[in-house]
Amino acid sequence: EPEVTQTPSHQVTQMGQEVILRCVPISNHLYFYWYRQILGQKVEFLVSFYNNEISEKSEIFDDQFSVERPDGSNFTLKIRSTKLEDSAMYFCASRSPRGNTEAFFGQGTRLTVV
Amino acid sequence: RKEVEQDPGPFNVPEGATVAFNCTYSNSASQSFFWYRQDCRKEPKLLMSVYSSGNEDGRFTAQLNRASQYISLLIRDSKLSDSATYLCAPLFNKFYFGSGTKLNVKP
Repeated sequence: EPEVTQTPSHQVTQMGQEVILRCVPISNHLYFYWYRQILGQKVEFLVSFYNNEISEKSEIFDDQFSVERPDGSNFTLKIRSTKLEDSAMYFCASRSPRGNTEAFFGQGTRLTVV
Repeated sequence: RKEVEQDPGPFNVPEGATVAFNCTYSNSASQSFFWYRQDCRKEPKLLMSVYSSGNEDGRFTAQLNRASQYISLLIRDSKLSDSATYLCAPLFNKFYFGSGTKLNVKP
């Protein structure tokens, strides 16, 4: 069964450092998303991406964040200068272009900023 | 008003019980609706889509009331393995998630 894969599963970084979280969406999907979940809190929307551009972003997704689809398979989230409050689980999701279908989530990257 | 509201629970029920979760959403233009299940520190996984006519998948029944902007999930004959957090997710360009409803099924 096709699945969304994310790497790394866990990343520890020092405050102020840049991190890149990687995702390989399901191959025929065209809608891509990043969500985050701070421990004990709800799943929060960060950004959606379609047709090689951001289609929507939340107020969390400030200038420190960027997304890229550098090739036909990867979808990355970059945080330029990490803060302690960026510590969270980051989920990538993708969705088929056929109708208003469900999203499939990757297993997540646990980001710990120290 | 929050985009999605759910009773956070926890709902503590014995095995075999029937339990119902409710969800209200604020965006009347939402296009599709889903229930996801999330185990502790794991990704959300699709449980089922929700249709206006109501739909059933084994022990799970989902209902949608567009007029009231309300979604429900009924779980019959609860199993220990049903213990998780249940997230309702309307779709309008992106998926909105509520805080989820935590279910604990006890032996």
